[in-house]
Amino acid sequence: DTGVSQNPRHKITKRGQNVTFRCDPISEHNRLYWYRQTLGQGPEFLTYFQNEAQLEKSRLLSDRFSAERPKGSFSTLEIQRTEQGDSAMYLCASSLMEAPTFGSGTRLTVV
Amino acid sequence: GESVGLHLPTLSVQEGDNSIINCAYSNSASDYFIWYKQESGKGPQFIIDIRSNMDKRQGQRVTVLLNKTVKHLSLQIAATQPGDSAVYFCAESRTDKLIFGTGTRLQVFP
Repeated sequence: DTGVSQNPRHKITKRGQNVTFRCDPISEHNRLYWYRQTLGQGPEFLTYFQNEAQLEKSRLLSDRFSAERPKGSFSTLEIQRTEQGDSAMYLCASSLMEAPTFGSGTRLTVV
Repeated sequence: GESVGLHLPTLSVQEGDNSIINCAYSNSASDYFIWYKQESGKGPQFIIDIRSNMDKRQGQRVTVLLNKTVKHLSLQIAATQPGDSAVYFCAESRTDKLIFGTGTRLQVFP
C-alpha cells in the first residue's frame, strides 16, 4: 500500500474552466475526506464519504463543487467554472477508525 | 464561533532543546484530538492523538497533554532536531470530521 494518492499534483487552469481531481485512498479505508488549504491556514473541511455515501458537505462547498465516490473506492472532486478564489491546495484523506491519513494534495492555480 | 486555534504562530528553538506547541479548543463536546506535522509541499502527517478520557499520551520523542478544564492541548517534542522543522496543526474531531487550527511554524536552529 502506497498511502493516499492524489492526481494531478499540480493543475493550472484558466478562469471559467472545469477541473477534476482524483483521490485513491488506502484500500481498506471506508472513510474519505476532502479538505482545502490556502497558504498559511489550516485545512478546511469540504466533504466526506463513508463508503459510497456522501455524509456531510461544508457550506464552503458551493454548487460549483461536486464530489463523488461511485464504488466506495476512489473519489473525484470537480470544480466547475473555476474562479481565482478557488486557487488552493486540495487535500484528500482516508481513514478506517481513527486519525485520517492525508495525501500530498493537488495544488490548483486559477489564472 | 467555535474553533481550534494556536497561541504562537512561530516557535524558534535550538537543536537539542525541548519544544512545546500549544493549542486551544472551544468545543467541550469534542472527544478526540490529533497533532499533525506538515512540511512544505506535503500533506499533513499524523504525529500523535489523544482521546478525551486521557490527559497524557506519549510517543517516540513526543508527548501530548490534554487539559479539558481549560480546553487546552499541547505537543511536547523532546530533543528537537532539524527534521522537526515544519508547521504543526492541532485538530479537533467533531462528528467524524476534523477541524484544524491555523498552525504553528517550528524553526530549529543548529
